[in-house]
Amino acid sequence: AQSVSQHNHHVILSEAASLELGCNYSYGGTVNLFWYVQYPGQHLQLLLKYFSGDPLVKGIKGFEAEFIKSKFSFNLRKPSVQWSDTAEYFCAVTPYNNNDMRFGAGTRLTVKP
Amino acid sequence: GAVVSQHPSWVICKSGTSVKIECRSLDFQATTMFWYRQFPKQSLMLMATSNEGSKATYEQGVEKDKFLINHASLTLSTLTVTSAHPEDSSFYICSASRGGYTGELFFGEGSRLTVL
Repeated sequence: AQSVSQHNHHVILSEAASLELGCNYSYGGTVNLFWYVQYPGQHLQLLLKYFSGDPLVKGIKGFEAEFIKSKFSFNLRKPSVQWSDTAEYFCAVTPYNNNDMRFGAGTRLTVKP
Repeated sequence: GAVVSQHPSWVICKSGTSVKIECRSLDFQATTMFWYRQFPKQSLMLMATSNEGSKATYEQGVEKDKFLINHASLTLSTLTVTSAHPEDSSFYICSASRGGYTGELFFGEGSRLTVL
């Protein structure tokens, strides 16, 4: 089965700082990639997803992610974070055309006002 | 949007009792639902895949007799933790797919189980 690694467990930033969260996956075939966010006390919400085409994907709330196939990576970025971005971020992967979703360990982002 | 709701949000039970958690898709039919377990500060671990009208498919290492899954309708799947023990205390999350492959799963709020 596919697996996902998120190397940053806890990231602390000040408002307006730039953000990049790492995500690497392992799978022998074609994959679809996702970033989910979990705000405190809330359910998981989809930030963005990559299926095919332009490897630079733009999502909600100013987030974007770039799929680099050669590096098996799908890093999440945001140019300027806000206090309201404080949350847990999960990278996830499914095999192409399959709903079997596997998650990374998550990265907790704390944005200081 | 597609809404998935879990009930209860949290439950405390005594060791040895059974607890049922419901996962409902409120505004769409979910042919497939997934159950995850999340330990503190850890990722979501897929426990089983639940297909309406058929037996659930469990991930390796997940006890079928311990975690009973029923997907009796297109809008409801249930997870029953049987003879719960303190080590079963965890956050249980379900997700649902509309059908086919759309690439998006819709998640419930999660249910926190504490076994005393």
